[in-house]
Amino acid sequence: GAGVSQSPSNKVTEKGKDVELRCDPISGHTALYWYRQSLGQGLEFLIYFQGNSAPDKSGLPSDRFSAERTGGSVSTLTIQRTQQEDSAVYLCASRQELPRETQYFGPGTRLLVL
Amino acid sequence: SQQGEEDPQALSIQEGENATMNCSYKTSINNLQWYRQNSGRGLVHLILIRSNEREKHSGRLRVTLDTSKKSSSLLITASRAADTASYFCATDASGGYNKLIFGAGTRLAVHP
Repeated sequence: GAGVSQSPSNKVTEKGKDVELRCDPISGHTALYWYRQSLGQGLEFLIYFQGNSAPDKSGLPSDRFSAERTGGSVSTLTIQRTQQEDSAVYLCASRQELPRETQYFGPGTRLLVL
Repeated sequence: SQQGEEDPQALSIQEGENATMNCSYKTSINNLQWYRQNSGRGLVHLILIRSNEREKHSGRLRVTLDTSKKSSSLLITASRAADTASYFCATDASGGYNKLIFGAGTRLAVHP
């Protein structure tokens, strides 16, 4: 079946502009995660959605970052007033309700802020 | 902040050799997972070891976990050029909700 998809694959924007990154999880997966990976680094947790529960936003680095998940499926990560330090690969992952341990990752969106 | 620290940061070996990567972490965990990443894009789950397990095998992969030392190792036996990738450990301390904390990774290069 189809895996996690993300769009766009690459995004170049100017400092100060807003960007929206999209994630389509695997159908039926109840949990969805966003991570950020800066060049040569590991993944940094941003936000986690689980069903209809309130999202865990504890990893969002500033109030310029927000995310929503509509209808328990597609998720959008929005970065307002982008800064150069926001340049990174943004990865989305989803998982089933059970078993909970394995996350399935999308290919990521590479964001470059000029 | 990162929970896991991998070592070495980079490893270069010849095909057929074994590759060992280590991971240390800071807090108590539910499980520890290893992921592989090709070309800086999507990650692939390799293997999971629970906190009450000490060793696990999957094909050419062997993972050990020492909770007293808060460390894990990933051994890839009989390496192949196709094993060239970055390898990350990730710990779950979230009570089973799989909120993972990743280390910075080990870049493995396997030369033919």
